[in-house]
Amino acid sequence: EAGVTQSPTHLIKTRGQQATLRCSPISGHTSVYWYQQALGLGLQFLLWYDEGEERNRGNFPPRFSGRQFPNYSSELNVNALELEDSALYLCASSLLPGQKNTEAFFGQGTRLTVV
Amino acid sequence: SQQGEEDPQALSIQEGENATMNCSYKTSINNLQWYRQNSGRGLVHLILIRSNEREKHSGRLRVTLDTSKKSSSLLITASRAADTASYFCATDAGLRGYSTLTFGKGTMLLVSP
Repeated sequence: EAGVTQSPTHLIKTRGQQATLRCSPISGHTSVYWYQQALGLGLQFLLWYDEGEERNRGNFPPRFSGRQFPNYSSELNVNALELEDSALYLCASSLLPGQKNTEAFFGQGTRLTVV
Repeated sequence: SQQGEEDPQALSIQEGENATMNCSYKTSINNLQWYRQNSGRGLVHLILIRSNEREKHSGRLRVTLDTSKKSSSLLITASRAADTASYFCATDAGLRGYSTLTFGKGTMLLVSP
């Protein structure tokens, strides 16, 4: 069974541009979570999608947005890129959203570099 | 803000030795989880311990949880070079699944042959 897959693996963009990151959850998982891992800041929760709806978002500006498609895959869009957006973006999926004590499975991440 | 804070920030040991990492958190939790990350790539789930559990084992891993002290420890016994990675604790404190999973900054473990 395939795990969580993310694309691209690496992405280099210029300040002010837009970046689109993609995530495919494990088959049967309806929830997708996005995290940002910037150097020295640890993992920060970005967004949670379930059944096509945005369920929660972290403390990030509106230029971070996304969506979830009918097949439960997800996109993360970052507009007006800033240098500090350079980070590893991790996607995770889980089977039982809203339930306590369920495990999340992470993808390998997309390394975004803004120059 | 970071809920979980790992200690130490970095740990260097020899193969065969045990490695102990600690995590402290601030609020009540549903569970605490430990993850491993190799070379800045994806996270691998290691173990989940519920708030009503005190100790849990998985292979060479032993996790303890002390809710009165709001702390947890991860013990890796008989370490191997392949255990070299960053280890993160994450706390689940909400009712909305992983939207409230909060990570610490991690402990970098280096196991030398």
